[in-house]
Amino acid sequence: DAKTTQPPSMDCAEGRAANLPCNHSTISGNEYVYWYRQIHSQGPQYIIHGLKNNETNEMASLIITEDRKSSTLILPHATLRDTAVYYCIVNHHGNKLTFGGGTRVLVKP
Amino acid sequence: GAVVSQHPSRVICKSGTSVKIECRSLDFQATTMFWYRQFPKQSLMLMATSNEGSKATYEQGVEKDKFLINHASLTLSTLTVTSAHPEDSSFYICSARAGRDLAKNIQYFGAGTRLSVL
Repeated sequence: DAKTTQPPSMDCAEGRAANLPCNHSTISGNEYVYWYRQIHSQGPQYIIHGLKNNETNEMASLIITEDRKSSTLILPHATLRDTAVYYCIVNHHGNKLTFGGGTRVLVKP
Repeated sequence: GAVVSQHPSRVICKSGTSVKIECRSLDFQATTMFWYRQFPKQSLMLMATSNEGSKATYEQGVEKDKFLINHASLTLSTLTVTSAHPEDSSFYICSARAGRDLAKNIQYFGAGTRLSVL
């Protein structure tokens, strides 16, 4: 599975959009991009995933570049409850998930 | 939907005792369940993968005789930490994947169990 690179931490303002980048330059053609988040002392929560098209659900939007070497998770209106560690994971369908360091997001009032 | 219940949420035990952690998928059938361990300020590390009715597959470095995994039904998997020692103190998290979600590879996680071995 391709390796991902994420900034270790970032702050964002409550009510504003939070844009979380992820680099996956070695992604192969049939690997998907998954995003999970882990709020302190809880189990991870699935957010969204995509292959090549942009995706949107009730939680977030996922923007994948045309060359698929990077992606951005967008939380449209960040709230204090969105404070968490966000993990970007790339792998093939059916493979086990490998969690990296993630991005620690702090939403400030 | 897609709720995974993990019990207990916290356990404190004496060194040398065994601890069982349960993971249940409440509203779907989990053909595959996963067990992770997370030490403070670190990321999740996969310990083992279990498919219903078959033996678990352990990751390299994880002792299968110490961490016994049973996946006897499509809604229940258990992890037993045998003869626990202080170094086994950690946050243990299970996840489940429905057969219908194999194509999506979405895992639903339990809330975790914090194990403290005295």
